[in-house]
Amino acid sequence: AQTVTQSQPEMSVQEAETVTLSCTYDTSESDYYLFWYKQPPSRQMILVIRQEAYKQQNATENRFSVNFQKAAKSFSLKISDSQLGDAAMYFCAFHGSSNTGKLIFGQGTTLQVKP
Amino acid sequence: DVKVTQSSRYLVKRTGEKVFLECVQDMDHENMFWYRQDPGLGLRLIYFSYDVKMKEKGDIPEGYSVSREKKERFSLILESASTNQTSMYLCASSSTPWGAEGGNTIYFGEGSWLTVV
Repeated sequence: AQTVTQSQPEMSVQEAETVTLSCTYDTSESDYYLFWYKQPPSRQMILVIRQEAYKQQNATENRFSVNFQKAAKSFSLKISDSQLGDAAMYFCAFHGSSNTGKLIFGQGTTLQVKP
Repeated sequence: DVKVTQSSRYLVKRTGEKVFLECVQDMDHENMFWYRQDPGLGLRLIYFSYDVKMKEKGDIPEGYSVSREKKERFSLILESASTNQTSMYLCASSSTPWGAEGGNTIYFGEGSWLTVV
């Protein structure tokens, strides 16, 4: 069975600085997708970034980028130039090769941004 | 914009009551999901459905059932609510085929906070 682990329950960063959120996963599949979701206090889940396992290049979306290490089964999220609006809970999620859209989530990391 | 709408944001129910949580999506998505979110546990899948009248158990189906009579609507049912079902419930939907470029996005509702007293 696949599992996703986020070992940092809470992180904090100074505004304008860079922070990295960690995520590891376990799977025997070779074809899969990984995601980072942001959940602000409104509770609306927002897709931040996604990575296809077959792509060697790390995904980037503006200030958000990932470090995807397939052999190590690691998928960290880097937030550059942190903004107050980045404060939220962040979830790492895994989707396997089945055609269902079913996600497996990590425990979440609460990010605090200090002004 | 894809919209996933959960009918109730906040509910308070009594132990033993039958509870219905409704979810509607407007993008003709085949797949719909119910997750439960608890602190320190992340989101856990309760049930999902990949077609009308089809359902499959997720990781924590005990104490829950679901109904999908129409493609756009997916209901979560607590037959006899208990205090350990106090939680936030998130509905989500996605299209098929999964994996196509741009076709592998899951859309979430805003969540339903359920308190069972």
